[in-house]
Amino acid sequence: KNEVEQSPQNLTAQEGEFITINCSYSVGISALHWLQQHPGGGIVSLFMLSSGKKKHGRLIATINIQEKHSSLHITASHPRDSAVYICAGEGGGKLIFGQGTELSVKP
Amino acid sequence: EAGVTQFPSHSVIEKGQTVTLRCDPISGHDNLYWYRRVMGKEIKFLLHFVKESKQDESGMPNNRFLAERTGGTYSTLKVQPAELEDSGVYFCASSQHLGESYNEQFFGPGTRLTVL
Repeated sequence: KNEVEQSPQNLTAQEGEFITINCSYSVGISALHWLQQHPGGGIVSLFMLSSGKKKHGRLIATINIQEKHSSLHITASHPRDSAVYICAGEGGGKLIFGQGTELSVKP
Repeated sequence: EAGVTQFPSHSVIEKGQTVTLRCDPISGHDNLYWYRRVMGKEIKFLLHFVKESKQDESGMPNNRFLAERTGGTYSTLKVQPAELEDSGVYFCASSQHLGESYNEQFFGPGTRLTVL
Protein backbone atom coordinates (compact mmCIF):
# COMPACT_ATOMS: atom_id res chain seq x y z
CA LYS A 1 0.00 0.00 0.00
CA ASN A 2 1.35 3.39 -1.01
CA GLU A 3 1.93 5.93 1.71
CA VAL A 4 -0.01 8.48 -0.33
CA GLU A 5 -3.30 7.41 -1.89
CA GLN A 6 -5.26 9.55 -4.33
CA SER A 7 -8.77 9.24 -5.64
CA PRO A 8 -10.22 9.13 -8.14
CA GLN A 9 -7.57 8.01 -10.63
CA ASN A 10 -9.57 9.35 -13.55
CA LEU A 11 -12.19 12.06 -13.61
CA THR A 12 -14.24 13.51 -16.43
CA ALA A 13 -16.26 16.66 -15.84
CA GLN A 14 -18.31 19.13 -17.81
CA GLU A 15 -17.10 22.70 -18.04
CA GLY A 16 -18.32 24.69 -15.06
CA GLU A 17 -18.54 21.77 -12.66
CA PHE A 18 -17.04 21.79 -9.17
CA ILE A 19 -14.27 19.21 -8.91
CA THR A 20 -12.77 17.51 -5.87
CA ILE A 21 -9.70 15.30 -5.79
CA ASN A 22 -8.86 13.53 -2.57
CA CYS A 23 -5.59 12.47 -1.02
CA SER A 24 -4.97 10.35 2.07
CA TYR A 25 -1.58 9.88 3.57
CA SER A 26 0.11 7.90 6.29
CA VAL A 27 2.11 8.88 9.34
CA GLY A 28 5.46 10.55 8.82
CA ILE A 29 4.15 13.05 6.28
CA SER A 30 4.75 16.58 7.53
CA ALA A 31 3.40 18.60 4.60
CA LEU A 32 1.33 17.97 1.53
CA HIS A 33 2.05 19.22 -1.97
CA TRP A 34 -0.38 19.44 -4.86
CA LEU A 35 1.20 19.36 -8.30
CA GLN A 36 -0.14 19.70 -11.82
CA GLN A 37 1.12 18.26 -15.08
CA HIS A 38 -0.48 19.22 -18.36
CA PRO A 39 -0.22 16.77 -21.27
CA GLY A 40 3.29 17.01 -22.64
CA GLY A 41 4.19 19.57 -20.03
CA GLY A 42 6.31 19.73 -16.93
CA ILE A 43 5.28 19.38 -13.32
CA VAL A 44 4.18 22.58 -11.64
CA SER A 45 3.71 23.08 -7.92
CA LEU A 46 0.21 24.36 -7.09
CA PHE A 47 0.14 24.30 -3.31
CA MET A 48 2.19 23.28 -0.35
CA LEU A 49 0.36 23.08 2.95
CA SER A 50 0.77 21.69 6.40
CA SER A 51 -2.47 22.99 7.91
CA GLY A 52 -5.71 24.70 7.04
CA LYS A 53 -6.59 25.88 3.60
CA LYS A 54 -5.00 27.73 0.69
CA LYS A 55 -6.63 29.37 -2.31
CA HIS A 56 -5.26 30.48 -5.63
CA GLY A 57 -7.72 31.65 -8.20
CA ARG A 58 -10.24 28.85 -8.78
CA LEU A 59 -8.12 26.31 -6.93
CA ILE A 60 -8.53 25.54 -3.25
CA ALA A 61 -6.53 23.06 -1.22
CA THR A 62 -7.45 21.90 2.26
CA ILE A 63 -5.77 19.60 4.72
CA ASN A 64 -7.03 17.84 7.85
CA ILE A 65 -4.04 16.82 9.92
CA GLN A 66 -6.01 14.64 12.33
CA GLU A 67 -7.61 12.64 9.53
CA LYS A 68 -4.44 12.72 7.37
CA HIS A 69 -6.48 13.83 4.41
CA SER A 70 -6.23 16.60 1.87
CA SER A 71 -8.48 17.74 -0.92
CA LEU A 72 -7.96 19.82 -4.03
CA HIS A 73 -11.02 21.64 -5.31
CA ILE A 74 -11.48 23.35 -8.64
CA THR A 75 -14.40 25.74 -8.94
CA ALA A 76 -16.01 26.61 -12.27
CA SER A 77 -13.84 24.08 -14.09
CA HIS A 78 -12.59 24.85 -17.58
CA PRO A 79 -11.13 22.65 -20.33
CA ARG A 80 -7.72 24.21 -19.70
CA ASP A 81 -7.83 22.60 -16.23
CA SER A 82 -7.46 19.22 -17.95
CA ALA A 83 -4.25 17.77 -16.58
CA VAL A 84 -2.89 15.21 -14.17
CA TYR A 85 -3.08 16.36 -10.56
CA ILE A 86 -0.68 14.77 -8.15
CA CYS A 87 -0.55 14.94 -4.40
CA ALA A 88 2.76 14.30 -2.74
CA GLY A 89 3.57 14.03 0.93
CA GLU A 90 6.75 15.49 2.29
CA GLY A 91 8.50 13.19 4.69
CA GLY A 92 12.14 13.23 5.69
CA GLY A 93 12.91 15.93 3.17
CA LYS A 94 11.70 13.96 0.17
CA LEU A 95 8.39 13.74 -1.66
CA ILE A 96 6.25 10.61 -1.67
CA PHE A 97 3.86 10.73 -4.58
CA GLY A 98 0.33 9.55 -5.11
CA GLN A 99 -0.56 7.93 -8.41
CA GLY A 100 -2.14 11.05 -9.81
CA THR A 101 -5.63 11.93 -10.96
CA GLU A 102 -6.15 12.42 -14.66
CA LEU A 103 -8.76 15.14 -15.06
CA SER A 104 -10.54 15.84 -18.33
CA VAL A 105 -12.90 18.80 -18.50
CA LYS A 106 -15.20 18.74 -21.51
CA PRO A 107 -16.56 21.95 -23.07
CA GLU B 1 15.15 33.46 -14.13
CA ALA B 2 15.71 30.12 -15.83
CA GLY B 3 13.91 27.14 -14.39
CA VAL B 4 15.22 23.64 -13.87
CA THR B 5 16.52 22.22 -17.13
CA GLN B 6 17.18 18.64 -18.09
CA PHE B 7 19.06 17.10 -20.96
CA PRO B 8 18.30 15.21 -23.09
CA SER B 9 14.54 15.42 -23.32
CA HIS B 10 14.39 11.96 -24.84
CA SER B 11 16.86 9.10 -25.01
CA VAL B 12 16.45 5.76 -26.73
CA ILE B 13 19.16 3.22 -26.06
CA GLU B 14 19.65 -0.50 -26.25
CA LYS B 15 19.85 -2.78 -23.28
CA GLY B 16 23.39 -2.89 -21.97
CA GLN B 17 24.31 0.59 -23.12
CA THR B 18 25.14 3.52 -20.89
CA VAL B 19 23.14 6.71 -20.63
CA THR B 20 23.88 9.89 -18.71
CA LEU B 21 21.12 12.31 -17.82
CA ARG B 22 21.87 15.86 -16.80
CA CYS B 23 19.99 18.29 -14.59
CA ASP B 24 20.72 21.97 -14.12
CA PRO B 25 18.88 23.29 -11.06
CA ILE B 26 17.77 26.84 -10.49
CA SER B 27 20.81 28.92 -9.64
CA GLY B 28 21.34 29.14 -5.90
CA HIS B 29 19.24 26.10 -5.05
CA ASP B 30 21.18 23.87 -2.70
CA ASN B 31 18.73 20.99 -2.84
CA LEU B 32 18.55 18.81 -5.92
CA TYR B 33 16.31 15.78 -6.23
CA TRP B 34 16.02 12.99 -8.77
CA TYR B 35 12.71 11.20 -9.26
CA ARG B 36 11.50 8.57 -11.70
CA ARG B 37 8.15 7.54 -13.09
CA VAL B 38 7.95 4.15 -14.71
CA MET B 39 4.93 3.43 -16.89
CA GLY B 40 1.69 3.17 -14.99
CA LYS B 41 3.24 3.79 -11.62
CA GLU B 42 3.57 6.77 -9.34
CA ILE B 43 6.64 9.00 -9.35
CA LYS B 44 9.27 7.63 -7.01
CA PHE B 45 12.08 9.35 -5.19
CA LEU B 46 15.61 8.35 -6.20
CA LEU B 47 17.95 10.62 -4.30
CA HIS B 48 18.55 14.02 -2.78
CA PHE B 49 21.66 16.20 -2.90
CA VAL B 50 22.38 19.09 -0.60
CA LYS B 51 25.00 21.01 -2.50
CA GLU B 52 27.49 18.36 -3.58
CA SER B 53 26.66 15.85 -0.83
CA LYS B 54 24.22 12.96 -1.11
CA GLN B 55 21.73 13.56 1.67
CA ASP B 56 19.51 10.58 0.92
CA GLU B 57 19.99 7.96 -1.75
CA SER B 58 17.54 5.44 -0.36
CA GLY B 59 15.50 5.40 -3.56
CA MET B 60 18.29 4.39 -5.91
CA PRO B 61 17.18 1.05 -7.37
CA ASN B 62 20.59 -0.64 -7.60
CA ASN B 63 24.27 -0.05 -8.23
CA ARG B 64 23.74 0.41 -11.95
CA PHE B 65 22.64 3.95 -11.09
CA LEU B 66 25.25 6.56 -10.21
CA ALA B 67 24.44 10.17 -9.42
CA GLU B 68 26.94 12.96 -9.03
CA ARG B 69 26.82 16.65 -8.33
CA THR B 70 30.38 17.83 -8.48
CA GLY B 71 30.77 21.43 -7.36
CA GLY B 72 27.22 21.52 -6.12
CA THR B 73 25.80 22.89 -9.35
CA TYR B 74 24.47 20.59 -12.04
CA SER B 75 23.92 16.89 -11.49
CA THR B 76 24.27 13.82 -13.65
CA LEU B 77 22.55 10.49 -13.33
CA LYS B 78 24.28 7.64 -15.13
CA VAL B 79 22.70 4.28 -15.81
CA GLN B 80 25.23 1.59 -16.68
CA PRO B 81 24.39 -0.89 -18.04
CA ALA B 82 20.80 0.01 -18.82
CA GLU B 83 18.08 -2.62 -18.47
CA LEU B 84 14.58 -2.71 -19.94
CA GLU B 85 12.98 -1.89 -16.58
CA ASP B 86 14.91 1.37 -16.42
CA SER B 87 12.59 2.87 -19.03
CA GLY B 88 10.57 5.76 -17.72
CA VAL B 89 10.62 9.49 -17.20
CA TYR B 90 13.35 10.87 -14.98
CA PHE B 91 12.54 14.14 -13.26
CA CYS B 92 14.87 16.49 -11.50
CA ALA B 93 13.73 19.09 -9.00
CA SER B 94 15.45 21.74 -6.96
CA SER B 95 14.61 23.83 -3.93
CA GLN B 96 16.28 26.59 -2.00
CA HIS B 97 17.07 25.25 1.44
CA LEU B 98 15.68 23.06 4.15
CA GLY B 99 14.70 24.84 7.30
CA GLU B 100 11.64 25.25 9.40
CA SER B 101 9.47 26.12 6.45
CA TYR B 102 8.52 23.61 3.83
CA ASN B 103 10.21 24.10 0.55
CA GLU B 104 8.57 24.32 -2.83
CA GLN B 105 10.30 22.08 -5.28
CA PHE B 106 10.67 23.26 -8.87
CA PHE B 107 10.61 20.49 -11.40
CA GLY B 108 12.40 20.09 -14.67
CA PRO B 109 10.58 18.88 -17.79
CA GLY B 110 11.93 15.36 -17.40
CA THR B 111 13.98 13.03 -19.56
CA ARG B 112 12.07 10.21 -21.20
CA LEU B 113 14.34 7.17 -21.30
CA THR B 114 13.46 4.20 -23.45
CA VAL B 115 15.58 1.07 -23.20
CA LEU B 116 15.03 -1.39 -26.06
